[in-house]
Amino acid sequence: DIQMTQSPSSLSASVGDRVTITCRASHSINNYLNWYQQKVGEAPKVLIYAASTLQTGVPSRFSGSGSGTDFTLTIASLEPEDFASYYCQQSFSTPYSFGQGTKLEI
Amino acid sequence: QVQLQQSGPGLVKPSETLSLTCTVSGDSISRYYWTWLRQPPGRDLEWIGYVYYTGSTNYNSSLKSRLTMSVDTSKSQFSLTLTSVTAADTAFYYCARVVFGGGGGNNWFDPWGQGTLVIVST
Repeated sequence: DIQMTQSPSSLSASVGDRVTITCRASHSINNYLNWYQQKVGEAPKVLIYAASTLQTGVPSRFSGSGSGTDFTLTIASLEPEDFASYYCQQSFSTPYSFGQGTKLEI
Repeated sequence: QVQLQQSGPGLVKPSETLSLTCTVSGDSISRYYWTWLRQPPGRDLEWIGYVYYTGSTNYNSSLKSRLTMSVDTSKSQFSLTLTSVTAADTAFYYCARVVFGGGGGNNWFDPWGQGTLVIVST
């Protein structure tokens, strides 16, 4: 099974900051990497799929990069609505697996 | 626009069976794979498995012996059954559509149902 490791597990930031979250896979997963945002009391929503493709409707301040085992999610300039938890997920092989999440706090 | 509506009990007794249903609207259930995931409160997301309208399934091996997923095309519903539950099965359960794209077998989950908190307790 592929293990996904995210860092940091929590992050304090301010509106307007640039933040980067990293995700590392235990084996190469090419670009089969997705990012989700989850707000308190809600289901996760996909932000980025295939490592770098922005889901329709997601603001362009979000971007993803990486291939193989190392990936990043970057938020260029934080908005108040971005304070949430973020998860990476590999779709290279089953069982699909998620990182442990990064909680982005004010 | 596809929408998913989950239904099912929020409380199940230990050793009994957990059953949840997800109703699909806005598109044909026969066009996609459908998946279930869960998240114990305050903990990580776990992929449970997916099902296709033909009955083809792929289950997480950690749950496979207790798990059944199925699709009812006449009702545009897919379902999850987990037997012999314990407190470790207490979690928010989510259904979602599996979307393929981005080249190769790349896939992701979108949209998700609203989630159902299932508590296993007497």
